Amino acid sequence: GQSLEQPSEVTAVEGAIVQINCTYQTSGFYGLSWYQQHDGGAPTFLSYNALDGLEETGRFSSFLSRSDSYGYLLLQELQMKDSASYFCAVTTNAGKSTFGDGTTLTVKP
Amino acid sequence: DTEVTQTPKHLVMGMTNKKSLKCEQHMGHRAMYWYKQKAKKPPELMFVYSYEKLSINESVPSRFSPECPNSSLLNLHLHALQPEDSALYLCASSQVSATNEKLFFGSGTQLSVL
Repeated sequence: GQSLEQPSEVTAVEGAIVQINCTYQTSGFYGLSWYQQHDGGAPTFLSYNALDGLEETGRFSSFLSRSDSYGYLLLQELQMKDSASYFCAVTTNAGKSTFGDGTTLTVKP
Repeated sequence: DTEVTQTPKHLVMGMTNKKSLKCEQHMGHRAMYWYKQKAKKPPELMFVYSYEKLSINESVPSRFSPECPNSSLLNLHLHALQPEDSALYLCASSQVSATNEKLFFGSGTQLSVL
């Protein structure tokens, strides 16, 4: 099976940078994705890493180290609208995506 | 069109009812998924359809019955549900299932079983 660990809560102020870590254990690892979900909304895709290194998409960046079974999501220039839950998700080569328990990010003025 | 459309948005049903959830996408994606999400919990995979064939069933009880009539449509038939089945049911799609690095989610059906 798969297991993922990420912090349950993170708090930061507007304009700051925050990093949400994710460690995983799985067989048949294919890639690591990140999703954002606002209360009452659906998860929306943020970023994906299949290879080691950093992927940058605007204010969001994601990093993966396959050898360490570790990744992180970096959010820069935080805005109030970034307050949401953030999930890392492992995709296996069997075509399954398993989500971590999620990190609740609170952005304060 | 980059949307996954789910209907209905809300559903209340009794334990003896039969109902269906519907999902539609027109992005040409060949993989479609059903996830179940309880409040403050992550989405949990239920079923995966790849090229209109059921490829993954995560040991879901038979009171949930998926159906993929064509590459754009996905249904979830519900029968004799239990109150603990109350949850947000999310449909998702991706280009293919083997490398589903990007899932597009619908807004979900909030299901209440009385």
